[in-house]
Amino acid sequence: AQKVTQAQTEISVVEKEDVTLDCVYETRDTTYYLFWYKQPPSGELVFLIRRNSFDEQNEISGRYSWNFQKSTSSFNFTITASQVVDSAVYFCALSGGAMNSGYSTLTFGKGTMLLVSP
Amino acid sequence: DTEVTQTPKHLVMGMTNKKSLKCEQHMGHRAMYWYKQKAKKPPELMFVYSYEKLSINESVPSRFSPECPNSSLLNLHLHALQPEDSALYLCASSRRGQGPNSGNTIYFGEGSWLTVV
Repeated sequence: AQKVTQAQTEISVVEKEDVTLDCVYETRDTTYYLFWYKQPPSGELVFLIRRNSFDEQNEISGRYSWNFQKSTSSFNFTITASQVVDSAVYFCALSGGAMNSGYSTLTFGKGTMLLVSP
Repeated sequence: DTEVTQTPKHLVMGMTNKKSLKCEQHMGHRAMYWYKQKAKKPPELMFVYSYEKLSINESVPSRFSPECPNSSLLNLHLHALQPEDSALYLCASSRRGQGPNSGNTIYFGEGSWLTVV
């Protein structure tokens, strides 16, 4: 069985602070994929990043960076110099899917609500 | 902007009504999904279509009836819903998987906010 844990339910920061959202996962698969999605109040789930289990390089995209550590089964997400527009719920997710099924399924964490105040 | 388009954005319906949620994507994806999301919860998978065939039905009540008329369209027909069915309904799509657990990215639409009164 797969499981994703986002232990932080809600985080509040002041603009320009750095913030890290934690994600810990469990899976028995040797090949798997991890994702982060952002969900602003409007409702849309916005894809941020996909990482496969064989690629442990950290990634940076503008103010966003991701730290994947297989040894600790973690895939943490850092926002540098946070802005009010970063306020949203952030979901970490782990992929699964039947062999040659032609589709993917996602196991989501419970989400972390990030509130950035001016 | 999302490439998965959902209509309507908001829907209020009575418990005896019949309505439909519509979803369209033009990314050439061959897997399409319906998710249901209650407040302060993660999305829950309802249905998966792969190559226009229903592949997964996560024990969803029959008052929800999915339909995939072609590779670009996905509908969710609603009938005799209950107030507890009020939620955000998210449509999504992904490329055809290649091999076991291809982990293709699932792209979501903006969702349809449903209120059952």
